[in-house]
Amino acid sequence: SQQGEEDPQALSIQEGENATMNCSYKTSINNLQWYRQNSGRGLVHLILIRSNEREKHSGRLRVTLDTSKKSSSLLITASRAADTASYFCATVDYKLSFGAGTTVTVRA
Amino acid sequence: EPEVTQTPSHQVTQMGQEVILRCVPISNHLYFYWYRQILGQKVEFLVSFYNNEISEKSEIFDDQFSVERPDGSNFTLKIRSTKLEDSAMYFCASSGLADNEQFFGPGTRLTVL
Repeated sequence: SQQGEEDPQALSIQEGENATMNCSYKTSINNLQWYRQNSGRGLVHLILIRSNEREKHSGRLRVTLDTSKKSSSLLITASRAADTASYFCATVDYKLSFGAGTTVTVRA
Repeated sequence: EPEVTQTPSHQVTQMGQEVILRCVPISNHLYFYWYRQILGQKVEFLVSFYNNEISEKSEIFDDQFSVERPDGSNFTLKIRSTKLEDSAMYFCASSGLADNEQFFGPGTRLTVL
């Protein structure tokens, strides 16, 4: 399966701290995407990184991709209570294959 | 900002009944998808649709499921005879290009009693 698998499963941090989560996958990819899901709601696309890119930034988000290790990381800097959500990486083979996600809780 | 919409937000049905879940993808998108998420589990791909036909489907998408784009704006998922295990959140998504970001709707929570 191409799906991404996130690590850790859960993360609890204080507001203002950084949150880092990792994703590993098994096969070659065209791109990898990160999504956020607030409890019981739809998925929101955060960032897409292509296989020929190593790092990408979007606001307080930084994503890295290491295709040799088949891994990606998502860093959220200066976290806020509103960042509390589940975060998923998804490998793309026209369809998205999601992992189980990392649940991030940001304490005020 | 354009968004994907889904109706209804919550559907309760009796086992064995047919349900139709509706989606309005972003208007200039060409690729359409259905995913589902059973409570507490991963988001799972069901089916992708392009150029008025199914381009890929998962093992979950058996002959009880069908999709249709009945007009230029709607994209529907039909479950012919619902089972208890069909209870889940169903998400519609669309994208402009095959490998680009997908925009998800808010989901329909299907409860089969």
